[in-house]
Amino acid sequence: QSVLTQPPSVSGAPGQRVTIPCTGSSSNIGAGYDVYWYQQLPGTAPKLLIYGNINRPSGVPDRFSGSKSGTSASLAINGLQAEDEADYYCQSYDSSQAVFGGGTQLTVL
Amino acid sequence: QVQLQESGPGLVKPSETLSLTCTVSGGSISSYSWSWIRQSPGKGLEWIGFIHYSGTTNYNPSLKGRVTISVDTSKNQFSLKLSSVTAADTAVYHCARAMVAAAGYGFDCWGQGTQVTVSS
Repeated sequence: QSVLTQPPSVSGAPGQRVTIPCTGSSSNIGAGYDVYWYQQLPGTAPKLLIYGNINRPSGVPDRFSGSKSGTSASLAINGLQAEDEADYYCQSYDSSQAVFGGGTQLTVL
Repeated sequence: QVQLQESGPGLVKPSETLSLTCTVSGGSISSYSWSWIRQSPGKGLEWIGFIHYSGTTNYNPSLKGRVTISVDTSKNQFSLKLSSVTAADTAVYHCARAMVAAAGYGFDCWGQGTQVTVSS
């Protein structure tokens, strides 16, 4: 049981927009702690996609965007591409520890 | 560009201590904070612990005092020790660099991960 809740899977067709929600609580996201998003391609290490709720590291396409409101956050992917098929994880901070969502598998139809 | 590489035994016997090292190249270990994160087969990511560049450590309470993380600045390495392991500790173990902010921290650079299996 993860502290942050994500849907196990989402899907979309190429070119479409998909969003992945991440639901927390008043002790983590709702307490004002930052949300981070990671992309994990099969057989590889997670890669930082979004930091500080909305910021993209250098090299991450602007198709990826993050938002945060209240006790939840979301990752949006515009113009879905086949190469976006991966697992996505949200992460925040709670009770002096980093906490992750259970991960969402994105399938590009 | 900073790179992280985990190393250590891939097989550990039950009740023994798992020991892993993360070697940091392309940058100094002293200026940053570091973490270990693991991923069990088919499961998500689990944070194990954190060591601040000041030396302060913080560990996942679910690991019940079995964890120790330390830094060796002379070798640009940091290490993980997890004692009294069981099959439940079988996982891919990643080391990562923590980007500490005013409102928590995330991980901007990851090692590729090393598989550790606990079995007799």
